[in-house]
Amino acid sequence: GESVGLHLPTLSVQEGDNSIINCAYSNSASDYFIWYKQESGKGPQFIIDIRSNMDKRQGQRVTVLLNKTVKHLSLQIAATQPGDSAVYFCAENMVPGSNYKLTFGKGTLLTVNP
Amino acid sequence: IAGITQAPTSQILAAGRRMTLRCTQDMRHNAMYWYRQDLGLGLRLIHYSNTAGTTGKGEVPDGYSVSRANTDDFPLTLASAVPSQTSVYFCASSTQGSQVPAFFGQGTRLTVV
Repeated sequence: GESVGLHLPTLSVQEGDNSIINCAYSNSASDYFIWYKQESGKGPQFIIDIRSNMDKRQGQRVTVLLNKTVKHLSLQIAATQPGDSAVYFCAENMVPGSNYKLTFGKGTLLTVNP
Repeated sequence: IAGITQAPTSQILAAGRRMTLRCTQDMRHNAMYWYRQDLGLGLRLIHYSNTAGTTGKGEVPDGYSVSRANTDDFPLTLASAVPSQTSVYFCASSTQGSQVPAFFGQGTRLTVV
């Protein structure tokens, strides 16, 4: 089946800079996408989601962009802080209307340098 | 504190033994999930439950079973553990009306030797 992938396995940024984490997906039928954050030794945390009828969605310091033309998803973190250091991974809902067909990416490790 | 509690935090288990991983939530969420997380792979769904009394198979259900006797508890049982079941296991739940897991437990690190 189709799966979600990431362009960069690691990303290192300076505190205060903006971070951009990318994700490619290959299933054009996917209708819902989610970004998760996972700190070391902890469970994943839901950050933000976006439906396929949207191009952009903003949260607190985070923005998700969806480009359906090239099947690309990105997570932008503004003014990155040390507490943002974690693995970030995206997930896509490959079967619209279901709640158990999420495909998760492997993740990108974000390191924030003080 | 509202959330998901998993137990144990970690466990070393002899191959062939039976083990139940516990998961309890106090948010009254209908949907619950069990995932495994392995190095180099994304989370993979083992089993899920849309509501108390119902369960379903996920992507990698073989060797695992679940039950959902009530809303709060969703235990995962390994009937006869094998080394390939060495993994970190996460229990998760969805808010009402959501189709995806939003709340995760802290995980259970299981090593089968």
